[in-house]
Amino acid sequence: AQTVTQSQPEMSVQEAETVTLSCTYDTSESDYYLFWYKQPPSRQMILVIRQEAYKQQNATENRFSVNFQKAAKSFSLKISDSQLGDAAMYFCAFQTGANNLFFGTGTRLTVIP
Amino acid sequence: KAGVTQTPRYLIKTRGQQVTLSCSPISGHRSVSWYQQTPGQGLQFLFEYFSETQRNKGNFPGRFSGRQFSNSRSEMNVSTLELGDSALYLCASSPGISYNSPLHFGNGTRLTVT
Repeated sequence: AQTVTQSQPEMSVQEAETVTLSCTYDTSESDYYLFWYKQPPSRQMILVIRQEAYKQQNATENRFSVNFQKAAKSFSLKISDSQLGDAAMYFCAFQTGANNLFFGTGTRLTVIP
Repeated sequence: KAGVTQTPRYLIKTRGQQVTLSCSPISGHRSVSWYQQTPGQGLQFLFEYFSETQRNKGNFPGRFSGRQFSNSRSEMNVSTLELGDSALYLCASSPGISYNSPLHFGNGTRLTVT
């Protein structure tokens, strides 16, 4: 079974500080992709960052970076220099051979001015 | 380039009725996927269409169905609505040629069943 676990239902961070959101997953597949999506109140799921499982190098996208530990099946998201616009629900997800995503339950991030 | 467009944004239906939701993908995208989002079950995959064919299906009852047209637009239908069908329904599109293209989501349709 494919599962994604986000153990932090809520997190908060001071503006300009750094926060890390945790995610673990379980799959028997060897080839897969991992994603972090954010969902602001507008409801649209927005892709934050993507990691190919076969790549050892951690993905980085401006202020967003991941710590991908394949053996541990861990995929955490680090947000640096947090901004008010980063406040949202964050979902970890992975995708295997089929074109569908398995999502975690989400982490609600609050940014404190 | 216009994003994924879902209509309507809100819908209120009564138990036993049926409903049709619409999704227009990003121009050039041939794959359209549908997801159901509820507070209890989270985000769950419904089905995916590619070039008018259902390519993948999640674990939902047969009351949930979909189709895709030649212009890649997709519709999702739910028959004999139940209270538990109240949810945010998200549509996502991708080029679909390979399985590993990131999905682009619409703003969703909020369905309330009373």
